[in-house]
Amino acid sequence: ELKVEQNPLFLSMQEGKNYTIYCNYSTTSDRLYWYRQDPGKSLESLFVLLSNGAVKQEGRLMASLDTKARLSTLHITAAVHDLSATYFCAVDKGGSEKLVFGKGTKLTVNP
Amino acid sequence: GAVVSQHPSRVICKSGTSVKIECRSLDFQATTMFWYRQFPKQSLMLMATSNEGSKATYEQGVEKDKFLINHASLTLSTLTVASAHPEDSSFYICSATGTRARETQYFGPGTRLLVL
Repeated sequence: ELKVEQNPLFLSMQEGKNYTIYCNYSTTSDRLYWYRQDPGKSLESLFVLLSNGAVKQEGRLMASLDTKARLSTLHITAAVHDLSATYFCAVDKGGSEKLVFGKGTKLTVNP
Repeated sequence: GAVVSQHPSRVICKSGTSVKIECRSLDFQATTMFWYRQFPKQSLMLMATSNEGSKATYEQGVEKDKFLINHASLTLSTLTVASAHPEDSSFYICSATGTRARETQYFGPGTRLLVL
């Protein structure tokens, strides 16, 4: 059974600081996704990582994938308040397009 | 990008009522649609996968007679919560993949269901 673990589950940080969210998964997968969810809203797609060593960046967020370690990271650079949200990673369940989600990381960026 | 809509965005109903939620892909053909539910402050749990023109595939523990899914066209899937009860109150989110959105699932805005 595919399991996806994120840590930390809660992250409070100051503006301007850097931090990394980790996503581990238990079985081989082709794809890893990162999503953002604002309170009361649905999910916004941030990144799709398709291969070992993939790195994608958008603004202050950078995601990477190590398929050998079954680990993805979401790195936040010089955080700003607008980044406050819950971030989910999700892993494709054996090429089926079914996604298994991590529990999410609630990020709060304080002024 | 690919846009997915849901209707209604919010519904409040009495216990025993059936509720239908629509999920539409607005600018692409959705060969596959997924239905998720999310309880407050929890993650998304996949309920079922629906392919156009065929029966939905339900995840373990999801009652197919309770959560009826129809994917009648390449742009529309519906989820009907039959005889809803308070424990069915949740945030229901659909997503879709298709020829334009094959690299990721695009999520609808969600439907918040409250059963009194």
